[in-house]
Amino acid sequence: GAVVSQHPSRVICKSGTSVKIECRSLDFQATTMFWYRQFPKQSLMLMATSNEGSKATYEQGVEKDKFLINHASLTLSTLTVTSAHPEDSSFYICSARRVSYNEQFFGPGTRLTVL
Amino acid sequence: AQSVTQPDIHITVSEGASLELRCNYSYGATPYLFWYVQSPGQGLQLLLKYFSGDTLVQGIKGFEAEFKRSQSSFNLRKPSVHWSDAAEYFCAVGAQLSDTDKLIFGTGTRLQVFP
Repeated sequence: GAVVSQHPSRVICKSGTSVKIECRSLDFQATTMFWYRQFPKQSLMLMATSNEGSKATYEQGVEKDKFLINHASLTLSTLTVTSAHPEDSSFYICSARRVSYNEQFFGPGTRLTVL
Repeated sequence: AQSVTQPDIHITVSEGASLELRCNYSYGATPYLFWYVQSPGQGLQLLLKYFSGDTLVQGIKGFEAEFKRSQSSFNLRKPSVHWSDAAEYFCAVGAQLSDTDKLIFGTGTRLQVFP
């Protein structure tokens, strides 16, 4: 149990376009989901915390208008990178916190390449 | 300020040798501690976690970690490393049970295993 999926696993887009990444908890309900960004050979940096039915909480320095997060249900959160630029190319990982569990379950990640 | 330090960026061991990955944390309250492993291009897999109780924690794949409050450490150990253990290892610290508290990750230690 406690499986988290991400879709797509890889995406290549042109500069200026928008890309949506989905994060789903497949067999549990997650009131909270987290979005991380990971640059090559670096650690995970938390971008935002997404709570079902409310606005996401963004970390300092993360542009909320550029990285739109929607958590419409207890099993789905989406991250939309708007007007993507090459510097947005990165590995994006989501995690889901299972209700009443102090543990985050991580998705497999999405590699975004912006040309 | 809350932080996690993994002093070793890169460790190389021979297959069959013992392994210890270091992790030190700075946290204002009693921490929840985690070790995750990440294979190239993949998400994070939880190896083990410490919440309370016995300070020696057993995890998956033969890993264990010991919480030492006096040293603010949570080092990961394995008595005999396998080639498949080559990956990136992240130590993380979190707050007490809360649906919105985030994890703070260390910078990671890359493990290379020679046959």
